[in-house]
Amino acid sequence: EPEVTQTPSHQVTQMGQEVILRCVPISNHLYFYWYRQILGQKVEFLVSFYNNEISEKSEIFDDQFSVERPDGSNFTLKIRSTKLEDSAMYFCASRRTVGNTEAFFGQGTRLTVV
Amino acid sequence: DQQVKQNSPSLSVQEGRISILNCDYTNSMFDYFLWYKKYPAEGPTFLISISSIKDKNEDGRFTVFLNKSAKHLSLHIVPSQPGDSAVYFCAARSTSGTYKYIFGTGTRLKVLA
Repeated sequence: EPEVTQTPSHQVTQMGQEVILRCVPISNHLYFYWYRQILGQKVEFLVSFYNNEISEKSEIFDDQFSVERPDGSNFTLKIRSTKLEDSAMYFCASRRTVGNTEAFFGQGTRLTVV
Repeated sequence: DQQVKQNSPSLSVQEGRISILNCDYTNSMFDYFLWYKKYPAEGPTFLISISSIKDKNEDGRFTVFLNKSAKHLSLHIVPSQPGDSAVYFCAARSTSGTYKYIFGTGTRLKVLA
């Protein structure tokens, strides 16, 4: 069964460093999302991406965040200058079309900023 | 502000009995409600959904009920099995913007053998 895959599974980085979280969505999907879950808190929307551009972003998704779909298969989330409070699980998700109800999530990348 | 709330952080149920997980929402700009199941160190896995124009959807042991007037939905699992032990997230799909999903805080279900 097709699935969303994310790499790495765990990333440790020093505060102020840049990180890139990678995702390979399901191949025929058109809508892509990044969510995050800080430990013990709810899953929060960061950004949605459609037709090679950001469709919507939350107030969390400030200038230090960016997303790209560089080659038609990968979908990346870049955090330019990490802060301690960026430590969280980051989930990538994809959905085929608007007509499809559910989004499929990857297994997540645990980002630890030290 | 679009809010989805799960007021019970945890629930314990005996194997074979019914598990009922609840969710409330405060905004009507949702077209679908979904339940996701999450194991530790894994991503949310889609379980079942319901359209905002329906009041019940059933899939095997899982049934979701929607009460629009009360802005409340519930997930029933019957019979509950130990493998159902996980965190269950209620999510609502927003009709504004790009149909993003708004998640509740989750309920940890423990099914006791």
